[in-house]
Amino acid sequence: GQNIDQPTEMTATEGAIVQINCTYQTSGFNGLFWYQQHAGEAPTFLSYNVLDGLEEKGRFSSFLSRSKGYSYLLLKELQMKDSASYLCATTHPGNTGKLIFGQGTTLQVKP
Amino acid sequence: EAGVAQSPRYKIIEKRQSVAFWCNPISGHATLYWYQQILGQGPKLLIQFQNNGVVDDSQLPKDRFSAERLKGVDSTLKIQPAKLEDSAVYLCASTRQMNTEAFFGQGTRLTVV
Repeated sequence: GQNIDQPTEMTATEGAIVQINCTYQTSGFNGLFWYQQHAGEAPTFLSYNVLDGLEEKGRFSSFLSRSKGYSYLLLKELQMKDSASYLCATTHPGNTGKLIFGQGTTLQVKP
Repeated sequence: EAGVAQSPRYKIIEKRQSVAFWCNPISGHATLYWYQQILGQGPKLLIQFQNNGVVDDSQLPKDRFSAERLKGVDSTLKIQPAKLEDSAVYLCASTRQMNTEAFFGQGTRLTVV
């Protein structure tokens, strides 16, 4: 089976840096996705990691350690619009199209 | 390119009634997914189509839920009869191929009273 854990809520200050962690246990691994979801809106793709290491994309970076079953999403220079839910997801080992999501981390950015 | 279209955006029904949701994926995307997202949880896959064939419906409550994608493009998801616990957002997503970025529609928020 697959199990994904991430913190339920986080709070950070505008302009700061925040790290959202995700741990997973899976019988197989084909990659890890991060999605952003604003309240009442669709999830939108942020990043995809399949190899160990850090992937940087503007203010957002994502890190993966396959041996530790661990990933994090790093958000720099936080803006108020970054207040959203951040969803970590792995792909099902027998079906690479099927995403298994964590419960999501609700990030609140305060002025 | 146009995104994934879903309708309706909101629906309120009484328990035991039936309801249908519609999804039009991004043009050229062969794989279509229906996810259920209960408040405070991550989305859970209900059914996955590759063109007009079902790839995975292992978590679809088949006694009350059904879905089809007859021509390999649009899809409908139906619930009959609805239960209170079906209250959720139903998200449709599509990918060009499996294991690539999924594009989600805005979802249909269903409230069963």
